[in-house]
Amino acid sequence: AQSVSQHNHHVILSEAASLELGCNYSYGGTVNLFWYVQYPGQHLQLLLKYFSGDPLVKGIKGFEAEFIKSKFSFNLRKPSVQWSDTAEYFCAVLAGSGNTGKLIFGQGTTLQVKP
Amino acid sequence: NAGVTQTPKFRVLKTGQSMTLLCAQDMNHEYMYWYRQDPGMGLRLIHYSVGEGTTAKGEVPDGYNVSRLKKQNFLLGLESAAPSQTSVYFCASSYRAAGPYEQYFGPGTRLTVT
Repeated sequence: AQSVSQHNHHVILSEAASLELGCNYSYGGTVNLFWYVQYPGQHLQLLLKYFSGDPLVKGIKGFEAEFIKSKFSFNLRKPSVQWSDTAEYFCAVLAGSGNTGKLIFGQGTTLQVKP
Repeated sequence: NAGVTQTPKFRVLKTGQSMTLLCAQDMNHEYMYWYRQDPGMGLRLIHYSVGEGTTAKGEVPDGYNVSRLKKQNFLLGLESAAPSQTSVYFCASSYRAAGPYEQYFGPGTRLTVT
């Protein structure tokens, strides 16, 4: 079965520190990849997505992610985090073509940024 | 555009009671989804719909039913609530299933079953 694994469940950083959140998926075919963010008390919002082309994807608020097909990974990065980045981050995979758009989510990573 | 809206925002039920959660979208999206979010488990798909009048089971459909009588609405029903259904429920919609089309999420409904 397809699955998504986020290795870091809870990350605590100080402001200005660099961030990298791991995401690995298990699916050998065509994948579309997403990172969503959920700020406290809010709904999920899209940070960035990868469908094809340049494997380095830039999203909103200075976030980026790199798709490495050989490693089945799509890690999220930000060079310098801010207190306002405190949130829960979800990696998701849309697996296969011509499917029904079923996203498979990772367990989520809670990021706490200390001022 | 309001995007995706959900009603109600909070609800407390007793075991065995029934309720319906309403999701509405004003983006003319074909595809709609219901997820539940539980700590440490991410989001899991309950049911989904690929168009008006059609529904299908997701990963965790037991204990839930859905209906999509109108394109813009997707209802999630609990016929006999159980404490295991205590969760936060999110509705989402997308224009297409595949391709560069993301899912847009509603604000969520926090349900507690006692």
